[in-house]
Amino acid sequence: TQLLEQSPQFLSIQEGENLTVYCNSSSVFSSLQWYRQEPGEGPVLLVTVVTGGEVKKLKRLTFQFGDARKDSSLHITAAQPGDTGLYLCAGVEYGNKLVFGAGTILRVKS
Amino acid sequence: NAGVTQTPKFRVLKTGQSMTLLCAQDMNHEYMYWYRQDPGMGLRLIHYSVGEGTTAKGEVPDGYNVSRLKKQNFLLGLESAAPSQTSVYFCASSSPTGTGELFFGEGSRLTVL
Repeated sequence: TQLLEQSPQFLSIQEGENLTVYCNSSSVFSSLQWYRQEPGEGPVLLVTVVTGGEVKKLKRLTFQFGDARKDSSLHITAAQPGDTGLYLCAGVEYGNKLVFGAGTILRVKS
Repeated sequence: NAGVTQTPKFRVLKTGQSMTLLCAQDMNHEYMYWYRQDPGMGLRLIHYSVGEGTTAKGEVPDGYNVSRLKKQNFLLGLESAAPSQTSVYFCASSSPTGTGELFFGEGSRLTVL
């Protein structure tokens, strides 16, 4: 099973600030997913990136897949309190198995 | 549309007791999974199933058993609970086609004393 390292583990910022979460591996994935989880709920898919170098935007969230398909980043512009939650990256291995990172807890203070 | 439903939501067990967690999905998905989530360790795969009547071990299968007698249900059993099995358990399902998105239940919090 491939390992996926996610950083930082915890981020506490003020409303309006920008932030980036990183997801790194030494192995190649067929695609990479980002999930968001709120307390007491299960993770919900935000986006899937498939092609090396791909960039996807979801309102104030920008997702990038590395050229070599080994790493990914999530950038949030002008964070809002509603962005608070646990962000998980998940690498999709060939054969459709997912490997999850440990997650980044984001807290946005108003 | 219920999606993925887990029961029970909360349970407290004593060491050595047994219990079963039930997962039901109404999306006609072929694949179903059981994960455990612990602080700082993300989601770890316990067992999974690629179809009715089939199961396979994941990353952390020891101490757990599963059954998939019906396509819509996936049961996770603990035969003799241990404190190390205190965790939040998530069931998920997915379709073999598409991008592999997982649809999760709301989780079941288990405490073993």
